[in-house]
Amino acid sequence: AQSVTQLGSHVSVSEGALVLLRCNYSSSVPPYLFWYVQYPNQGLQLLLKYTTGATLVKGINGFEAEFKKSETSFHLTKPSAHMSDAAEYFCAAYASNNNNDMRFGAGTRLTVKP
Amino acid sequence: KAGVTQTPRYLIKTRGQQVTLSCSPISGHRSVSWYQQTPGQGLQFLFEYFSETQRNKGNFPGRFSGRQFSNSRSEMNVSTLELGDSALYLCASSSTGPYGYTFGSGTRLTVV
Repeated sequence: AQSVTQLGSHVSVSEGALVLLRCNYSSSVPPYLFWYVQYPNQGLQLLLKYTTGATLVKGINGFEAEFKKSETSFHLTKPSAHMSDAAEYFCAAYASNNNNDMRFGAGTRLTVKP
Repeated sequence: KAGVTQTPRYLIKTRGQQVTLSCSPISGHRSVSWYQQTPGQGLQFLFEYFSETQRNKGNFPGRFSGRQFSNSRSEMNVSTLELGDSALYLCASSSTGPYGYTFGSGTRLTVV
């Protein structure tokens, strides 16, 4: 069965600094990978997804992530943090041999300091 | 186009009662999935419905059930509520399955 691990439940950066949120997955088959963002009292909004093809995926709000099969990683980055990026971020994986449900990481809360 | 609509947004129920939550998917989406989100357990998959049939089910007791109507709207029901059922319940719809999810804003259920 697949699983998703997000390293660091809390990450704090200064405004303008690099954002790096880490995600590792385990899966017996190549998974589809996703990053979602959740603002307080809201649902999840898709930032980006990797299905096949180019391993560097660009998403909304300046975020991008790179699929590294050898490292089983899908880390999320943004060159320059903005105050509005403060939220909870979830990495998720879906594999077609896994009962058709998407598995989520535990989430990383991003704080942006002025 | 309209997003995924979940009603109600907030709900307070007493232990032992039952509750029904509603989800209206994006027009044309036939797949509806439900997730429970709690601080301790994170996001956990409840079930997925596709064209009125339950296609997949997570690891939840039989008190949790759902259904989907011919217009793709879905309901989930929790009977004999327990304090531990307090959570944000999220619905997601898709035309193609989990790799195309759009989430609703959720229903926050508090059991007292």
